Amino acid sequence: GDSVTQMEGPVTLSEEAFLTINCTYTATGYPSLFWYVQYPGEGLQLLLKATKADDKGSNKGFEATYRKETTSFHLEKGSVQVSDSAVYFCALSSIQGAQKLVFGQGTRLTINP
Amino acid sequence: EPEVTQTPSHQVTQMGQEVILRCVPISNHLYFYWYRQILGQKVEFLVSFYNNEISEKSEIFDDQFSVERPDGSNFTLKIRSTKLEDSAMYFCASSGTSFSYNEQFFGPGTRLTVL
Repeated sequence: GDSVTQMEGPVTLSEEAFLTINCTYTATGYPSLFWYVQYPGEGLQLLLKATKADDKGSNKGFEATYRKETTSFHLEKGSVQVSDSAVYFCALSSIQGAQKLVFGQGTRLTINP
Repeated sequence: EPEVTQTPSHQVTQMGQEVILRCVPISNHLYFYWYRQILGQKVEFLVSFYNNEISEKSEIFDDQFSVERPDGSNFTLKIRSTKLEDSAMYFCASSGTSFSYNEQFFGPGTRLTVL
């Protein structure tokens, strides 16, 4: 079945550092790919998405490019802030059926001032 | 901005008791979902619901679970006889006004604690 594998956490960085969180997937067909963010005590919020190969999703300074050849969707940000501290989930959704989301295990990110 | 709401925010129950978790999806959405997240683990799909019936369910969603949209606005998840391992955060989500990809909007979750 479909699956998502994310970089193990936790990740701790200093403010203004460069961030990469790796995500790879296994799926039949051509899924849509997502990054969701969960701030402490809150639900899941969509951060960005890409629906076809070579698409780049971006939001709030975060970017991820849908790479079909490497089945990857790595999350990057050039200069992180303390407010970016959260848990980040990579996910996919098949274009078939009920379009359920399949999530990776999540990466906890802590940014120190 | 429209949002998905869930009640209660925290439910504590005794093993073997029935619980009903409630969700109010975004009003013009057509697709509804329940997910759960056991503490420290990944978010897992439970069930999707469209046109007043289940469209897909996971192996977690056994006979102890049921979903209902009783009045056109609420979307409920019932667990008939709770087990300790049902302790988790349960998220409701809704999406879509047509059958093509649409973003799923998540509620803030209900934390279920089974004692």
